[in-house]
Amino acid sequence: GNSVTQMEGPVTLSEEAFLTINCTYTATGYPSLFWYVQYPGEGLQLLLKATKADDKGSNKGFEATYRKETTSFHLEKGSVQVSDSAVYFCALSAGAGTALIFGKGTTLSVSS
Amino acid sequence: DTGVSQDPRHKITKRGQNVTFRCDPISEHNRLYWYRQTLGQGPEFLTYFQNEAQLEKSRLLSDRFSAERPKGSFSTLEIQRTEQGDSAMYLCASSSRASNYGYTFGSGTRLTVV
Repeated sequence: GNSVTQMEGPVTLSEEAFLTINCTYTATGYPSLFWYVQYPGEGLQLLLKATKADDKGSNKGFEATYRKETTSFHLEKGSVQVSDSAVYFCALSAGAGTALIFGKGTTLSVSS
Repeated sequence: DTGVSQDPRHKITKRGQNVTFRCDPISEHNRLYWYRQTLGQGPEFLTYFQNEAQLEKSRLLSDRFSAERPKGSFSTLEIQRTEQGDSAMYLCASSSRASNYGYTFGSGTRLTVV
């Protein structure tokens, strides 16, 4: 079945460090891929998405590229801030409007 | 539109009691989804509706769980004979073709079974 695997956390970085959170997926067909973020005490928010191979999603300095050949959608940011501290979830949708399948989440902690 | 609303925000119940949660989606969204999230895990899909029709149910949704969306607007999720293992955050989300099936999540209902 469809599944998402993302790197175990927590990830602890200093401010302005480079961030990579790995995400790989298993799916039949051509899923859409997403990164969601959950800030402390808040609900899930869409960070970025990509709907087809080689698409790059980007938002707030974060970006991720849909790599079909490696079934990956790694999240990157060139310079993290303390305000980026949150839990990040990789997810896929097998078809338009179908349920999202989430990874277990990666906690990012950024210190000044 | 104020987004997806869930009520209550928190619920503490004794084991064996029944509980019901409500979700009000974004008004023009015809799809509504329920998820469960336990501590340290990602959200797990439970079920979803298109209008009033329940299109898919996860095997996680045991016989004690039932969801309805009677008029294709708000939805309720009921858990009968609650167990301690039901303690979790229950999330609702909605989407529509017009929004390119972008999912909007509510803040969730946190259930604690004691």
